[in-house]
Amino acid sequence: QVQLHESGPGLVKPSETLSLTCSVSSDSVSSSNYYWSWIRQSPGKGLEWIGYIYYTGSTNYNPSLKSRVTISIDTSTNQFSLRLSSVTAADTAMYYCARLPHQNNYMDVWGKGTTVTVSS
Amino acid sequence: DIVMTQSPDSLAVSLGERATINCKSSQSVLYSSDNNNYLAWYQQKPGQPPKVVIYWASTRESGVPDRFSGSGSGTDFTLTISSLRAEDVAVYYCQQYYSTPFTFGPGTRVDIK
Repeated sequence: QVQLHESGPGLVKPSETLSLTCSVSSDSVSSSNYYWSWIRQSPGKGLEWIGYIYYTGSTNYNPSLKSRVTISIDTSTNQFSLRLSSVTAADTAMYYCARLPHQNNYMDVWGKGTTVTVSS
Repeated sequence: DIVMTQSPDSLAVSLGERATINCKSSQSVLYSSDNNNYLAWYQQKPGQPPKVVIYWASTRESGVPDRFSGSGSGTDFTLTISSLRAEDVAVYYCQQYYSTPFTFGPGTRVDIK
């Protein structure tokens, strides 16, 4: 079945850029049937949708993070990525990648998540 | 942004009894063009990612037991577990996908009494 797997540094210094990658197996990020998304979860803010990308490269970001977020897609490696710039302690969270059906934008498949801590 | 609220924050239910969780959206998530409510429910167990149990407010995801049901329309929704089992202990979240930014409720913790 479809599996998503997040990877990236678990520790990022304040003011630096957080970079995560989601590897997709048993599905294709080139599919027109799905969006590919990032969501984070912290004790203080609960679940927060960060944004999504479509295979065409079009993106939709949460306005609360839009100035700092970039989501990109690499069809050759079947991965999509998250970059969050100028991080602070408030960006410390569990980060999940997820799949969203194009016609029905709930999150039907999630990765297991990766913890990112922002600290010097 | 559409704000999602849930009640109660937590509840404890005896095994085999009914658990009811409420979710309210700050504006309607019913799309008039297709008459669908853009509302999903997720179950999150400790150390695991959320897992969808209900979408379109009342459609059970494949593989989800039929003791889970969703109801409601517009701004008020309910997730019901008809006969609680030990494996249902989790935090449950509602989420609207009517408009971006997609938003989640704060969660309701369900425990065994």
